[in-house]
Amino acid sequence: GEDVEQSLFLSVREGDSSVINCTYTDSSSTYLYWYKQEPGAGLQLLTYIFSNMDMKQDQRLTVLLNKKDKHLSLRIADTQTGDSAIYFCAESGNDYKLSFGAGTTVTVRA
Amino acid sequence: DGGITQSPKYLFRKEGQNVTLSCEQNLNHDAMYWYRQDPGQGLRLIYYSQIVNDFQKGDIAEGYSVSREKKESFPLTVTSAQKNPTAFYLCASRGQGPGELFFGEGSRLTVL
Repeated sequence: GEDVEQSLFLSVREGDSSVINCTYTDSSSTYLYWYKQEPGAGLQLLTYIFSNMDMKQDQRLTVLLNKKDKHLSLRIADTQTGDSAIYFCAESGNDYKLSFGAGTTVTVRA
Repeated sequence: DGGITQSPKYLFRKEGQNVTLSCEQNLNHDAMYWYRQDPGQGLRLIYYSQIVNDFQKGDIAEGYSVSREKKESFPLTVTSAQKNPTAFYLCASRGQGPGELFFGEGSRLTVL
């Protein structure tokens, strides 16, 4: 939605790192999320971060949060062809009503 | 297997007709959601239900209706009042983790 913005496309070479960026406007956001959508399927939660955290790492995924700038990023290390998908940034308060960005289509090239 | 089942996967409708999209979950989740996905736009919340027999409008509820008579089921009706109904519709339920939504595979509605 309009409260969450992200670039629409990213192309990355296999084996490189991918960085997907997102900005949001709601300063009262409690949780920030990254979801992944593969072709023809629903979304799947990859990871989330509390708004009082700066960083969260989970295997190949690193989430960075700059609360002052309302900027969230997702870094995927050693990007593989299976990582080709649409990645959605989302935010919510404690009511868990998620607001999603438009999604970034990541294409991994050999 | 536990999950969210949406049906039909593809649906064609003539203008002026109502259509109901099915969403069933066997995850024992209380909260369920309907989102609409259009190209180049984020998911937009249509309706949500925190518990059986209760539901609230989301950001774009006009032209849609829902019911929540059973915990497992949250059907969405797209009425003829919805001006631009052609879209991909996603149903989700919320698990135990913060904002952990489990999504179905979606229903693609095309109005001819």
